[in-house]
Amino acid sequence: QKEVEQDPGPLSVPEGAIVSLNCTYSNSAFQYFMWYRQYSRKGPELLMYTYSSGNKEDGRFTAQVDKSSKYISLFIRDSQPSDSATYLCATPNSGGSNYKLTFGKGTLLTVNP
Amino acid sequence: GAGVSQSPRYKVAKRGQDVALRCDPISGHVSLFWYQQALGQGPEFLTYFQNEAQLDKSGLPSDRFFAERPEGSVSTLKIQRTQQEDSAVYLCASSLGATTTNEKLFFGSGTQLSVL
Repeated sequence: QKEVEQDPGPLSVPEGAIVSLNCTYSNSAFQYFMWYRQYSRKGPELLMYTYSSGNKEDGRFTAQVDKSSKYISLFIRDSQPSDSATYLCATPNSGGSNYKLTFGKGTLLTVNP
Repeated sequence: GAGVSQSPRYKVAKRGQDVALRCDPISGHVSLFWYQQALGQGPEFLTYFQNEAQLDKSGLPSDRFFAERPEGSVSTLKIQRTQQEDSAVYLCASSLGATTTNEKLFFGSGTQLSVL
């Protein structure tokens, strides 16, 4: 079992929809989680990071961590065509590290105008 | 520079050739990372430098892979005797501090390596 699992999709939604992207992780010791966005032929860029449990909101984006079920989510409200990209969840805590990111496979999202 | 710069953008190599991939991190960034991203997969860690010191090379797939950062800025990832399974996008990233738990990691656009 990989330490971070993510459904690769693809996911296709109409403009304005609420999008839910999800990952599960295997190690309850993981504390930090990140969401990266990767446009085609570009490197990943950090969208949000969260520590421990709870929600974090930034504009149209909300990141949520449920430690009891080892589940992390990214919600996108009022999705736009410019949100079309691959979304990657990640943790830096794999193997006791505080620098080595372990990524999920990524979910390819398409928002249709 | 404005961001992390990688060159070349694309590289085609014949099996058995040696290749060198260059990364120019953001000026002043202490940490530098190399990741490998296969098609349809998330990036996978290869190696980590703090200034000129290579602190972790546990992700390098074989002894054909070698990375250096001699003056603590520009880094080069070298792959000797390339194989088809080396075909991937090689991403470089840098950060200001020494960890990524509360530091933003900046990625370059990567070098897409195709081994024929």
